[in-house]
Amino acid sequence: DTEVTQTPKHLVMGMTNKKSLKCEQHMGHRAMYWYKQKAKKPPELMFVYSYEKLSINESVPSRFSPECPNSSLLNLHLHALQPEDSALYLCASSQVGLAHTDTQYFGPGTRLTVL
Amino acid sequence: DQQVKQNSPSLSVQEGRISILNCDYTNSMFDYFLWYKKYPAEGPTFLISISSIKDKNEDGRFTVFLNKSAKHLSLHIVPSQPGDSAVYFCAAEHGSSNTGKLIFGQGTTLQVKP
Repeated sequence: DTEVTQTPKHLVMGMTNKKSLKCEQHMGHRAMYWYKQKAKKPPELMFVYSYEKLSINESVPSRFSPECPNSSLLNLHLHALQPEDSALYLCASSQVGLAHTDTQYFGPGTRLTVL
Repeated sequence: DQQVKQNSPSLSVQEGRISILNCDYTNSMFDYFLWYKKYPAEGPTFLISISSIKDKNEDGRFTVFLNKSAKHLSLHIVPSQPGDSAVYFCAAEHGSSNTGKLIFGQGTTLQVKP
C-alpha cells in the first residue's frame, strides 16, 4: 500500500482566515514533505520533516506553518494568505528521507483558493 | 538555473506505438532519478526510478534508460495506451545531500490517440 491521504480536497479561504491542511500516511515512512504546485509548473518543495523534525524549509513565508505531530501525520497551518498562494498543495512521504534512493509517494493534493 | 530539463512540453503518439519522453540534467552530483505521472488535479504517481549505478531499469511497459556521460535519461512506454495520457515529470536527487530533496523538470504532456 503506497497511499498518502490529504484533507480537505478543496479549500477556499479569505485572506484573514486561519485554516489547516492535513496529510496522513500509514506506510511507516519517517520522512514527510509539503510541495506547492501552480498550474502547468512542476511541484516546488516547501518543507521536509525527517523523524518528526523539520529538516528543510525552502525559505517559505511564515504565513505557512508546518507541524508534524507524529510520524504518520503532517499538517500545514495557513494564516493571512495572499491570492497568489492559490495552488495545489501536495504532501509526500518516503521511507527515510536521509537516503538518496528514497522514493517519494504523493497524496492527491488539496486545491487551495485564496480570495 | 534549471538543473532538470524536459525540453518537449508535449508529445502525441498513436495507441500501440512507443512513447519516448526525454529528460536532461546538468548537475553531475545527481545520482537517483525518478519518473512521475500526473493527471489533472491529482498528485503525481510514482512510475519508475533508476540509480546512477545502472543504465536501464524495466517495469512492465515502462523502461527508463540513463546515459550518465550525456546527462540524459529517457522513459519508454511500449505499447502506449490512451490511459497513459497525462503529464510526465522527471525528477532527480542529489547524491550527497541526504535530504530527500527532489528537483523536478517542467513536465511533458503525453497524448496517446486511440
